[in-house]
Amino acid sequence: AQKITQTQPGMFVQEKEAVTLDCTYDTSDQSYGLFWYKQPSSGEMIFLIYQGSYDEQNATEGRYSLNFQKARKSANLVISASQLGDSAMYFCAMSISGSARQLTFGSGTQLTVLP
Amino acid sequence: DTAVSQTPKYLVTQMGNDKSIKCEQNLGHDTMYWYKQDSKKFLKIMFSYNNKELIINETVPNRFSPKSPDKAHLNLHINSLELGDSAVYFCASSYFTGGSTDTQYFGPGTRLTVL
Repeated sequence: AQKITQTQPGMFVQEKEAVTLDCTYDTSDQSYGLFWYKQPSSGEMIFLIYQGSYDEQNATEGRYSLNFQKARKSANLVISASQLGDSAMYFCAMSISGSARQLTFGSGTQLTVLP
Repeated sequence: DTAVSQTPKYLVTQMGNDKSIKCEQNLGHDTMYWYKQDSKKFLKIMFSYNNKELIINETVPNRFSPKSPDKAHLNLHINSLELGDSAVYFCASSYFTGGSTDTQYFGPGTRLTVL
């Protein structure tokens, strides 16, 4: 069974600074995908970024980048130049190749950006 | 041009009642999901449908019955509602490629409160 661990229940960052949200995962599968979602206070789940287990380069999407360290089983989200609108809950999730096609989520990190 | 929509957004009802939540996606995806987010924000898969066929049915009480009339719609019917059913229910959809890259896009969520 797969497991996602997010050890930071809450994080604070100053506006315009960079912040790293930690995510470690556990799986015995070789083919898997790692995802980050943002959930603002309004409640919707917004897809941010994806990293495949066989991707050699770290994924980037605008101000979001994923620091993927396969040997350490970590997939940390880096947000550069934080904005007030980045204040939200952030979830790391994993999917396994095959017929399951479900996302296993971590417990989330509440990020607060300070002005 | 909402991608994944759910109705209603809020649902308040008495214990013992039966209620339904509707979900529709216009992304052309062939797989749809229901997730439950509890009061601690933990997200867990409930059901997954591919082309109207049930492919995941996690340990969910049989009071919960999903129905997929076509691949763009996945409804969730809940019988004999209990206090513990209070949660936010998310619908999601994705393509199925057989790999781990299937990005799931979520609806806005339905906040169910059972009194």
